[in-house]
Amino acid sequence: TQLLEQSPQFLSIQEGENLTVYCNSSSVFSSLQWYRQEPGEGPVLLVTVVTGGEVKKLKRLTFQFGDARKDSSLHITAAQPGDTGLYLCAGARGSGYALNFGKGTSLLVTP
Amino acid sequence: NAGVTQTPKFQVLKTGQSMTLQCAQDMNHEYMSWYRQDPGMGLRLIHYSVGAGITDQGEVPNGYNVSRSTTEDFPLRLLSAAPSQTSVYFCASRRGRDYEQYFGPGTRLTVT
Repeated sequence: TQLLEQSPQFLSIQEGENLTVYCNSSSVFSSLQWYRQEPGEGPVLLVTVVTGGEVKKLKRLTFQFGDARKDSSLHITAAQPGDTGLYLCAGARGSGYALNFGKGTSLLVTP
Repeated sequence: NAGVTQTPKFQVLKTGQSMTLQCAQDMNHEYMSWYRQDPGMGLRLIHYSVGAGITDQGEVPNGYNVSRSTTEDFPLRLLSAAPSQTSVYFCASRRGRDYEQYFGPGTRLTVT
């Protein structure tokens, strides 16, 4: 059973477009993290959100944690080819020792 | 700091063989984890540890053993490899629950 559902699974857009990736669950998470992974490498953390309703910005990336702490979104403004990669959300429940990952959203930004 | 290191980077095994995937971190992190990543499946947690001498199972622990005798090292053992264990394996570490998790570069394992 996948605790975190990510959508869309694949996304191909042109440079300059905006996009939103969603991470949804029926479970409540104590914190949620977003990672980006490039081919042949391990995931790299982009952001951690902890408080329900929290919004964090990282340059052109905006992350939001749902009020009920069951879902999150990642919005990219004016996408660039350098944004290409696999975006993964991961949630910690309860004591938070273990992280559950979504299946990921594969993003391709073409010039 | 080297961060999280994993060896080997690539490995091919025959069904039934055993091997140990090595993982080490030099950041004095208490939490360490092993994941496998398969196409279309995302990252799935195999085993994790919250400190030396303490380990627990994740989502997909069958066929794998771990131990944590030191803070730095967290090896993953495959006792009798099966083709279903063909995957990319990532080791990760972090300082605490809401802290950044650092991943190693991965080990690509093929079982024939």
